[in-house]
Amino acid sequence: GQNIDQPTEMTATEGAIVQINCTYQTSGFNGLFWYQQHAGEAPTFLSYNVLDGLEEKGRFSSFLSRSKGYSYLLLKELQMKDSASYLCAPSGAGNNRKLIWGLGTSLAVNP
Amino acid sequence: DAGITQSPRHKVTETGTPVTLRCHQTENHRYMYWYRQDPGHGLRLIHYSYGVKDTDKGEVSDGYSVSRSKTEDFLLTLESATSSQTSVYFCAIRSTSGVNKTIYNEQFFGPGTRLTVL
Repeated sequence: GQNIDQPTEMTATEGAIVQINCTYQTSGFNGLFWYQQHAGEAPTFLSYNVLDGLEEKGRFSSFLSRSKGYSYLLLKELQMKDSASYLCAPSGAGNNRKLIWGLGTSLAVNP
Repeated sequence: DAGITQSPRHKVTETGTPVTLRCHQTENHRYMYWYRQDPGHGLRLIHYSYGVKDTDKGEVSDGYSVSRSKTEDFLLTLESATSSQTSVYFCAIRSTSGVNKTIYNEQFFGPGTRLTVL
């Protein structure tokens, strides 16, 4: 079957570093996406990993281990505006490349 | 924002009435998707399209139909709305880009339509 597991909620302090973990099981795999979604808004694309390793993009980094079915999103120098839900979405194989969506992790950044 | 608009942005309707939601894109993307998002369920795929007049069902397609008569528009129709279809509906397109030999197929989302069925 297909399954995604992320923590439901996390809290962190402004200026700190937080790591959001995601484990997944999919039938077929073609990379993994991370999205950010602020309350009442649409999801926005953050990062994409298709090979094992770390992808760094400014304050955000994402890591993938395909053999372990594991990814994490690392957020550095947290800001209040980073309070949002973070969605881990592996992509299925084939031309359709459907994304498989979990419930996401709600991150609250406190002053 | 990948040039995606949705209309209407908010709608309140009554049980049993037909409702059509429109997704419009300006960048000629081939793949388009309709999702619904509800508390406790995350994003669920309703239908998707891989070209003009080419559509397929997602995981929660019952009670919904779609049409794509031209590249830029993807319509979602609730033939007879029910209260269980109260939700936020997102349209998305799939973009293809490449950076350092990695091909991205990320999805970009429209702003969403909040539908309430009374």
